[in-house]
Amino acid sequence: AQRVTQPEKLLSVFKGAPVELKCNYSYSGSPELFWYVQYSRQRLQLLLRHISRESIKGFTADLNKGETSFHLKKPFAQEEDSAMYYCAPYNQGGKLIFGQGTELSVKP
Amino acid sequence: DAGVIQSPRHEVTEMGQEVTLRCKLISGHNSLFWYRQTMMRGLELLIYFNNNVPIDDSGMPEDRFSAKMPNASFSTLKIQPSEPRDSAVYFCASRSSSGTQYFGPGTRLTVL
Repeated sequence: AQRVTQPEKLLSVFKGAPVELKCNYSYSGSPELFWYVQYSRQRLQLLLRHISRESIKGFTADLNKGETSFHLKKPFAQEEDSAMYYCAPYNQGGKLIFGQGTELSVKP
Repeated sequence: DAGVIQSPRHEVTEMGQEVTLRCKLISGHNSLFWYRQTMMRGLELLIYFNNNVPIDDSGMPEDRFSAKMPNASFSTLKIQPSEPRDSAVYFCASRSSSGTQYFGPGTRLTVL
């Protein structure tokens, strides 16, 4: 079965600390992976996708096919990073399945 | 482009009433998704369309829910009759040919 797991419901760090939001997937084929972010009471926005290999707002994510993981990382968290983060694998022509999400709280 | 547009942004209704949520896709996108977000269940995919055709409606909770896409740029999600447990934020999203989904601002539905 196709599944995505974000094991942490809540991740709390202090400003300036490194942060890693975990994502593991179980998918057939070679899915493309996305991270979406939802700031308080706003719409979901694309943060990054693995094929673009970009760094957005200081975040990066590396696809590890061996471990079937796509963890999101940032070396120095900022208070404005506080939000819900969703990992989502996607198969071409299919549907984007979202994980349960991880709430990141960055404290001053 | 104004992005994905949803209306209304907020809806408060009484149990038993019919509710219709509306979504306008981004021009040129050919896939549309309806999601429901609650604290308990997170983000759930209800139904999605490709080229106006419903592809997967396995996430639709029950027969009280129905969705239509009468043309390439517009969709409706209807709940009839509504119940308090339907209270949630309903998002629609359209997808570009590159695979990126763009979300609307959501409709916050409260059923009393």
